Amino acid sequence: AQSVTQLGSHVSVSEGALVLLRCNYSSSVPPYLFWYVQYPNQGLQLLLKYTSAATLVKGINGFEAEFKKSETSFHLTKPSAHMSDAAEYFCAVREYSSASKIIFGSGTRLSIRP
Amino acid sequence: ETGVTQTPRHLVMGMTNKKSLKCEQHLGHNAMYWYKQSAKKPLELMFVYNFKEQTENNSVPSRFSPECPNSSHLFLHLHTLQPEDSALYLCASSQESGGGPYNEQFFGPGTRLTVL
Repeated sequence: AQSVTQLGSHVSVSEGALVLLRCNYSSSVPPYLFWYVQYPNQGLQLLLKYTSAATLVKGINGFEAEFKKSETSFHLTKPSAHMSDAAEYFCAVREYSSASKIIFGSGTRLSIRP
Repeated sequence: ETGVTQTPRHLVMGMTNKKSLKCEQHLGHNAMYWYKQSAKKPLELMFVYNFKEQTENNSVPSRFSPECPNSSHLFLHLHTLQPEDSALYLCASSQESGGGPYNEQFFGPGTRLTVL
């Protein structure tokens, strides 16, 4: 069975500081991994995805994530936070065999301090 | 319209009302999904349709009744709901519900449902 754990339900950083959102996964088969962002009163938007190609994945809005098999991690980073990055971020793991069997983490709310 | 749209965006209903949520995707996809997003809980997959056929029902109470008349439209019919059903209901679509690295889900903005 697959699962995903997001460490920290709330992360607060200063504008211009490094953003690090943590995600660890459990999967018995090579997984596909995703980060989604949800702005207030909106649906989920795909930030980036790992599908067994390059282990360092670059996404939209300056975010990137690195797949580390040995650590079963897929942490999301951004070198310099912007006020517009304030949102809820969801890590998700999916079986390669089915688009519907995607498991979402409980989310991390990112706040940006001026 | 582009992407995945949902109407209404907000809905308040009593426990004896009957209402419907609508989802439409403009992406040419063949799979559509209903999710429930409650505060402090992970997204819960409710139903999956692939080429208009329901392929998954994750033990959803019968007071929620989905309908998929074609690959572009998905409805969620609601009747005799409970206050604990208050949540954000998200619709999503993907090329199909099978595998493959590019078969990711695209989400609509959701309907915020409040049951009084």
